[in-house]
This record gives sequence, C-alpha cells and structure tokens, in this order.
Amino acid sequence: GENVEQHPSTLSVQEGDSAVIKCTYSDSASNYFPWYKQELGKRPQLIIDIRSNVGEKKDQRIAVTLNKTAKHFSLHITETQPEDSAVYFCAAGGAGKSTFGDGTTLTVKP
Amino acid sequence: SAVISQKPSRDICQRGTSLTIQCQVDSQVTMMFWYRQQPGQSLTLIATANQGSEATYESGFVIDKFPISRPNLTFSTLTVSNMSPEDSSIYLCSGVEANTGELFFGEGSRLTVL
Repeated sequence: GENVEQHPSTLSVQEGDSAVIKCTYSDSASNYFPWYKQELGKRPQLIIDIRSNVGEKKDQRIAVTLNKTAKHFSLHITETQPEDSAVYFCAAGGAGKSTFGDGTTLTVKP
Repeated sequence: SAVISQKPSRDICQRGTSLTIQCQVDSQVTMMFWYRQQPGQSLTLIATANQGSEATYESGFVIDKFPISRPNLTFSTLTVSNMSPEDSSIYLCSGVEANTGELFFGEGSRLTVL
C-alpha cells in the first residue's frame, strides 16, 4: 500500500516568513495529492490539492509543487500570518482513497 | 462545496457498549470513507463505505468491530462495537465531492470510552 512521509514534524517561523513542508510517497499509481489544515478541535480542511498531470499549483499565499519522478510534493506558504498556525497534513492517493502523512505543527510567531 | 453533518459530535461510553455514528451529506458524493484520528495523531482510514453492499476494510480493521452501512449515496453509519478504552478517538466521516473530486470531512465524533 501507499506510504507517506512528512517533514518536518514541527515548524516555527516568524510572521511574514515563508514555510515549506515536504512529503514523499511510495506508490507511483497515486495521482491525487491534497493538503489539509487542521486547527485544534476542528475537522481537517482542504487548502489546496494537485493532480499528477500538473507540476505546480498556486492559490494566493499557498502553493504546492509535485515531482512525480522523485515521488515528492511540497507545500509552500508565503507571508505567513499567526492565523496560519495549525497542523498541516499531506496526503497521497487516488480514486478517493488517501493515505495521510503524520502532520506538521506550524507555529507562526507574531 | 458539499457539507457533511456528523453526529454525535462527542460521547462518553462505557466499556463493552456499542455506539453508532451517523453521517449525512447535503449533496451527492462518489465515495464515502471513515477515518480514525487518535489524539495528536494522523488520520487512518478504517474503511470505504460502499453503497448498498459491504464496506471495504483496511488492514487492521474488521467488520465485526466496525460495522458500516451506506444505504444511499448521501448517508452512512459507523458502529464501534464492544468498545474498550483503546477505541477512544475521533472518528471522521469523509466524502469525495462528485463535481470536484475533492475529499472533505465531517466535523468528527469524539468518543471517550471509560
């Protein structure tokens, strides 16, 4: 089955700086790579996703890149704000099923 | 985008009892899943809820412990049977939105087993 590794497990940045979270996956058949933000006590919320036919996708301050050859994908958050503080999960899969990484706790210090 | 309503939002249960969690989607989804998230951990897929047939379970999860129903496209239930303290967790219903293919989640059900 699919195996997803996510790094780092914790990340602390100063407000205004950029944050990068990286994930690797094992199953070359995976073709859908979503990223979720989960605030304490709340459900995971999809913030951006990318499919295997695209190398990069951007939505305002958030971007995701995908390298299918190397089987890794990354989340980039620019101009971080305190409200970006949360746990971020990457996932990899297809046909609906997704395997999640272990999560990254991002802290943005004002 | 579609919205999933899940209930109960939380419950405290006694060891040996069973609890059923309900999940209702406000629009059609192609697939529905049940995940478990233990405190401070990631999400683990329990099973795929198949409409009108038996669910497909992931390794480590069995039907006797986690019976699942999906009588129609927008409703599913998960029962946690013969609960023990190790079953204390958040259980999340999820669906793949038909229009976008996105996987989205219900609010979750936080179960505490004493």
